[in-house]
Amino acid sequence: ELKVEQNPLFLSMQEGKNYTIYCNYSTTSDRLYWYRQDPGKSLESLFVLLSNGAVKQEGRLMASLDTKARLSTLHITAAVHDLSATYFCAVDLTGTASKLTFGTGTRLQVTL
Amino acid sequence: KAGVTQTPRYLIKTRGQQVTLSCSPISGHRSVSWYQQTPGQGLQFLFEYFSETQRNKGNFPGRFSGRQFSNSRSEMNVSTLELGDSALYLCASSWPRSKGAGETQYFGPGTRLLVL
Repeated sequence: ELKVEQNPLFLSMQEGKNYTIYCNYSTTSDRLYWYRQDPGKSLESLFVLLSNGAVKQEGRLMASLDTKARLSTLHITAAVHDLSATYFCAVDLTGTASKLTFGTGTRLQVTL
Repeated sequence: KAGVTQTPRYLIKTRGQQVTLSCSPISGHRSVSWYQQTPGQGLQFLFEYFSETQRNKGNFPGRFSGRQFSNSRSEMNVSTLELGDSALYLCASSWPRSKGAGETQYFGPGTRLLVL
């Protein structure tokens, strides 16, 4: 059974600081997704990583995938308050993005 | 283009009742998946429908069922509601191309169900 773990579960960081969220998964897959969820809201797609070594960047967020280590990272550069949200990674084994197994989520709080 | 829509947005039911939730996918998307989100269990996959057929199923009891219509709209039904069914139910749609395609799932706003 596929297990997806994220750490940390909660992250409080100051504006301007850098940090990394880690996503480990138990079964080989080359398809990994990152989503953002604001309180009381739905999930917003951030990144789709489809191969070993894939790196995607959008603004202050950068995601990477190491399929051999079964590890993805979400790096936050110079955090700002607007990045406060819960971030989820999800793994797809079907190859069709139709059945995602989500991690526990990392609640990020960026303080002044 | 319009996103995934779900109705109703909020629902209050009592134990033992049944409930039907509706989801309209993004135009052109043929795959609809359902997820349950709770504080204790997180986001869990319920099932996925593609071309009116259930193609993937999660580990939920038979009280949870769904269907998809020819226009790709989907409904999920929960019978004999239990307190533990209180959750945010999210629908997501995608266009499942062949392996390697960069598709993702797009989520609707969710239906928040409270079982009393």
